[in-house]
Amino acid sequence: GDSVTQMEGPVTLSEEAFLTINCTYTATGYPSLFWYVQYPGEGLQLLLKATKADDKGSNKGFEATYRKETTSFHLEKGSVQVSDSAVYFCALSGTPGYSTLTFGKGTMLLVSP
Amino acid sequence: ETGVTQTPRHLVMGMTNKKSLKCEQHLGHNAMYWYKQSAKKPLELMFVYNFKEQTENNSVPSRFSPECPNSSHLFLHLHTLQPEDSALYLCASSPRANPPAEQYFGPGTRLTVT
Repeated sequence: GDSVTQMEGPVTLSEEAFLTINCTYTATGYPSLFWYVQYPGEGLQLLLKATKADDKGSNKGFEATYRKETTSFHLEKGSVQVSDSAVYFCALSGTPGYSTLTFGKGTMLLVSP
Repeated sequence: ETGVTQTPRHLVMGMTNKKSLKCEQHLGHNAMYWYKQSAKKPLELMFVYNFKEQTENNSVPSRFSPECPNSSHLFLHLHTLQPEDSALYLCASSPRANPPAEQYFGPGTRLTVT
């Protein structure tokens, strides 16, 4: 079945450092891929998405490229801020017949000043 | 603001109480979902509704009873809960359930069972 694997956290960075959070997936067919962010005390917010191979999703300085050959959708940001501290979830919309997205376990990011 | 609201934001209830969680979406979506999020556990899908019909019940105990009177509103009725049911309950909506599309989440209800 469909699955999403994210790197274990927490990821701890200093402000202005470069961020990469790895995400790989297994799915039948051609899934759409998503990154969600959850700030403390809040629900999940859609951060970006990509619907086909080689698409790049971007939002708020975050980027992720849909790599079909490596089944990956790694999240990157060039310069993180303290306000980016949150939990990040990778997800996919895959095999027909599934009624919901498949989510990864989430990766916590902690950014210090 | 995601267009999905949940009330109450916080709820403390005893094991013998009955309470309800409410979710409303203003996005014109056709699918709605309940998730449970516990500390140090993956997000758990509980129920899926598509065009007001329940299409998935993910082996949820009967002390949780969902209701979807229309495509904009979703309720979760709670009774005789256990302390391990304490968690963040998230509602989400989506344009469709099959094939699934991006979901939009509410802020959640933080439930504490005493």
